Amino acid sequence: NAGVTQTPKFQVLKTGQSMTLQCAQDMNHNSMYWYRQDPGMGLRLIYYSASEGTTDKGEVPNGYNVSRLNKREFSLRLESAAPSQTSVYFCASSEMSGSSHEQYFGPGTRLTVT
Amino acid sequence: AQSVTQLDSQVPVFEEAPVELRCNYSSSVSVYLFWYVQYPNQGLQLLLKYLSGSTLVKGINGFEAEFNKSQTSFHLRKPSVHISDTAEYFCAVSNPLRDMRFGAGTRLTVKP
Repeated sequence: NAGVTQTPKFQVLKTGQSMTLQCAQDMNHNSMYWYRQDPGMGLRLIYYSASEGTTDKGEVPNGYNVSRLNKREFSLRLESAAPSQTSVYFCASSEMSGSSHEQYFGPGTRLTVT
Repeated sequence: AQSVTQLDSQVPVFEEAPVELRCNYSSSVSVYLFWYVQYPNQGLQLLLKYLSGSTLVKGINGFEAEFNKSQTSFHLRKPSVHISDTAEYFCAVSNPLRDMRFGAGTRLTVKP
């Protein structure tokens, strides 16, 4: 099992450019999440998808869009990147049932917007 | 909505000494509680979790945490730390079927 995979690992964008961060999980989890991590602020939820076909806003959704392509894949799109979106982005998945409620995290994408 | 406060942003400690990383939460409903560890340039790994039952939870790498409902706390402890425990530690809280909220993190530095 690869667990949760993310691409790319690193990306540099100019202000105004767009890009899509890809995430896939092979654990057959229903729920998937996108977070951003900034120094001293922990992880903040951008969007989540409780199940295939549904998406909901988290704490900091402005400037982002998501697509739950199928049960395995959940992508995050920046339509017009801004320097404030410089961050490390993590995708996670979970089952949210029975005795398993923890989230499993990918290795992250380091994004710099200049 | 639930929230998490990690009371120490940095904790320096000498090798083989005990350590406690403090976490308080607030929520109007029952919650699940978690501790995650993040090593440099990596994602988060689960250390331990509290869902229900015994309030003392044991996790990986010799860590344990105690759920205290009256004090709304979930402090993480280890009786003797190693250099390899140097990392950032995150406390998190979630409602069933809802999203998870993380604390700001505690950077544990173990010195020789």
